[in-house]
Amino acid sequence: GAVVSQHPSRVICKSGTSVKIECRSLDFQATTMFWYRQFPKKSLMLMATSNEGSKATYEQGVEKDKFLINHASLTLSTLTVTSAHPEDSSFYICSARAPGGTEAFFGQGTRLTVV
Amino acid sequence: AQSVTQLGSHVSVSEGALVLLRCNYSSSVPPYLFWYVQYPNQGLQLLLKYTTGATLVKGINGFEAEFKKSETSFHLTKPSAHMSDAAEYFCAVSAGGQAGTALIFGKGTTLSVSS
Repeated sequence: GAVVSQHPSRVICKSGTSVKIECRSLDFQATTMFWYRQFPKKSLMLMATSNEGSKATYEQGVEKDKFLINHASLTLSTLTVTSAHPEDSSFYICSARAPGGTEAFFGQGTRLTVV
Repeated sequence: AQSVTQLGSHVSVSEGALVLLRCNYSSSVPPYLFWYVQYPNQGLQLLLKYTTGATLVKGINGFEAEFKKSETSFHLTKPSAHMSDAAEYFCAVSAGGQAGTALIFGKGTTLSVSS
């Protein structure tokens, strides 16, 4: 199957700093990428949908100024958590879909800890 | 709107026993349904999916699921549990009823396997 790589796998940052998470489709072009957040012992919550070359569509309740999403190329989308706070600590997972694809492939996730 | 309910947040079985993880969905359009497995601090691995056609779907690692429209169910089964099956399992439905779109996840079921 297609491979989606997420980097970094783990990151610890200080409160008030910004953190960038990368999501790359390694062997296919992804016109659409999805970002999810997973709280401990909880399900995955869709944060936003990003389409290459256009602004991301955020789900209700997700702060677009805090979670900046950029999908500048067909193989890369980034999620930047700005001015991170401890409550932003979570597991973030991306997925990517090829044009016309019927399945979105998931990255391995990023564990963000804000101290 | 689409939604997923996983009955039982925790299921415990003995090695070699039948595994049954329950999933019911709600969808205003013909659903696309998925089962994923997640190991600690890792991303999601697709076990199987139903899009159209045969209602009994076979997946990886000996898992299978049957789409029952009349019961709005998509339960996951495996005839004989293995220790390596212990993980978190998520049922999901495509938002908007289209393949390749964002997924709506259930809250997950933790499967424990004892020897």
